[in-house]
Amino acid sequence: SQQGEEDPQALSIQEGENATMNCSYKTSINNLQWYRQNSGRGLVHLILIRSNEREKHSGRLRVTLDTSKKSSSLLITASRAADTASYFCATDADTGNQFYFGTGTSLTVIP
Amino acid sequence: DTEVTQTPKHLVMGMTNKKSLKCEQHMGHRAMYWYKQKAKKPPELMFVYSYEKLSINESVPSRFSPECPNSSLLNLHLHALQPEDSALYLCASSLRASGSGELFFGEGSRLTVL
Repeated sequence: SQQGEEDPQALSIQEGENATMNCSYKTSINNLQWYRQNSGRGLVHLILIRSNEREKHSGRLRVTLDTSKKSSSLLITASRAADTASYFCATDADTGNQFYFGTGTSLTVIP
Repeated sequence: DTEVTQTPKHLVMGMTNKKSLKCEQHMGHRAMYWYKQKAKKPPELMFVYSYEKLSINESVPSRFSPECPNSSLLNLHLHALQPEDSALYLCASSLRASGSGELFFGEGSRLTVL
């Protein structure tokens, strides 16, 4: 049931640097979402981009979507130690009532 | 109230035990979900309830039995589990099961099967 793959699997950067993670998915979607998960906790929604949108911003987050390549990227600018977490993309199936998560990127921001 | 509350936070059970996980939300959401997450893996969809009716069962073994008593509550009944069922079980809700909105997650119930 896993819909997407993310890369890199793990990313380690210095505080203040930008972090980019990529998501590729397999089937047509209505929208794509990004979530963050701190270790052992629940997931927190970050941003949603619809299939007819190409780019979206929210604070330090920038998401792009290329439906022709079935891929999305999440850019976190000016990273902070508190951004250390796992990041997952999630897509809905064509039917719209199933959300599938990508493999995730583990981000470590070094103070 | 934008919370999804899951209880218990931790559960240890033997393979012959019967236990339940509970999930509650008071956001008026009409779709609720159970996900299973193993360590360092993404959440895997188990069940979707839409308007208190089971709409998706991702071929989950019958030892997991979901129940949605009303629009605010979601249970997951556990019986005769195996050690490989040990995982973090996450409940989520969304306004509708239409794929157009975000999922709100609880903090999860960490299950250990001995």
